[in-house]
Amino acid sequence: KAGVTQTPRYLIKTRGQQVTLSCSPISGHRSVSWYQQTPGQGLQFLFEYFSETQRNKGNFPGRFSGRQFSNSRSEMNVSTLELGDSALYLCASSLDIPGMNTEAFFGQGTRLTVV
Amino acid sequence: KNEVEQSPQNLTAQEGEFITINCSYSVGISALHWLQQHPGGGIVSLFMLSSGKKKHGRLIATINIQEKHSSLHITASHPRDSAVYICVPTGNQFYFGTGTSLTVIP
Repeated sequence: KAGVTQTPRYLIKTRGQQVTLSCSPISGHRSVSWYQQTPGQGLQFLFEYFSETQRNKGNFPGRFSGRQFSNSRSEMNVSTLELGDSALYLCASSLDIPGMNTEAFFGQGTRLTVV
Repeated sequence: KNEVEQSPQNLTAQEGEFITINCSYSVGISALHWLQQHPGGGIVSLFMLSSGKKKHGRLIATINIQEKHSSLHITASHPRDSAVYICVPTGNQFYFGTGTSLTVIP
C-alpha cells in the first residue's frame, strides 16, 4: 500500500508570503501529525489531527495552522513567512492517536526555504 | 530540561563493529519508536516497542519502561547503516530525541 505522501517536496518562498503544505496519510490512518526539523532545534512537534479535530498542539506561534479533511488528508499553513521558518516539515500518520501504542509512518518531508 | 536524552550524539565506527545507541526519557509513555533518517530527510520507522526486545535483521531494540531507558543495537555494522537514529518516546504526542549521527567507515 502507498506510504505517506507529502507535497511539494521542495519549496522556495519569500519572507512575508504564506505557504500550504499537504500530507496524505496511509489509507485507513486517521491520525496525522506535523513536525518541523531545523539543524539547531531538531524535530519539534507542531500539531496532531485525528478525525478532523486538532488533538494536540506544540509551542509554535499562531502563524502555523493546520487542518484535516474528511479523507484524513491534512494541510498545514504558515503565514507571514520568516527566514527562521526554513526547515524540513515532516508529517506522520498512524491508525490512532500517538499514545495508543500504534506505529507511526513518516513522509519524505517538504523542504521549505524562505529567502 | 530535555525530555529525551540520546547518547552518543555522534558516532563513528568501523564496518563490522557492534554499535549501541542509548535513549533515556523523563516523560510517561506507552511506546517508543526508533527512527532512521538518511541524508535528504526521509525518515523510516525501525521499531515501535512498549516492552522487552525486538529484533529486525541486524537491528535490535530494547526498552525498560520502569527505568525509562531504551537502546538500539546494530550488529555487524555496514556503511549503509550511516544515518541519524532518533529515539521517540510516545505518550499523547511524540517526544523527539536530538538524534545520534552514525557514520560507518568501510
